[in-house]
Amino acid sequence: DIQMTQSPSSLSASVGDRVTITCRANQDISVWLAWYQQKPEKAPKSLIYAASTLQSGVPSRFSGSGSGTDFTLTISSLQPEDFATYYCQQYNTYPLTFGGGTKVEIK
Amino acid sequence: EVQLVESGGGLVQPGGSLRLSCAASGFTFSSHWMTWVRQAPGKGLEWVANIKQDGSDKQYVDSVKGRFTISRDNAKNSLFLQMNSLRVEDTAVYYCARCAGDCHFDSWGQGTLVTVSS
Repeated sequence: DIQMTQSPSSLSASVGDRVTITCRANQDISVWLAWYQQKPEKAPKSLIYAASTLQSGVPSRFSGSGSGTDFTLTISSLQPEDFATYYCQQYNTYPLTFGGGTKVEIK
Repeated sequence: EVQLVESGGGLVQPGGSLRLSCAASGFTFSSHWMTWVRQAPGKGLEWVANIKQDGSDKQYVDSVKGRFTISRDNAKNSLFLQMNSLRVEDTAVYYCARCAGDCHFDSWGQGTLVTVSS
């Protein structure tokens, strides 16, 4: 199985900060990586797919990059509604697997 | 607007069975792979199963193989998860999601809670 490791597991940031979350796969997954945002008691929401393609309707302050085994999600200027948990997910190989999540909290 | 609405969750004893349903609307259901993803209380996301558009291909995470069965009824725009031999560790919110492209999950339901406890 492909293991997805996210770092950090949590971070504290202020509104307006630039935030970067990393996701590492233990095997090459090309660009078959997605990012999701989840707020408490809510379903996840798709943000980015194919490593860097923004889902329709997602603000442009979100961006993704990477290929192979190393990926990043960047929020260029953190907004109040961005405080949430973020997950990466590989869809290169079954079983599909998620990272452990990164909780973004208010500083 | 894409809508996915899960139902069928509840409290069940270990060893019991439950059938989850997901009603889809707002898109051509028969054109998409569909999936179930679960989340144990306070934990992360875990993919459970996928099913191809015509039901001819099904994939499962190892921990549910032989116990869970994913199926669909394209005439009724519905996705199902039959869960047998339930274990305490199957306790989770179960989400139905739509696959897009090579199967990232672009739309999610609100989830249904399954609690396995004696």
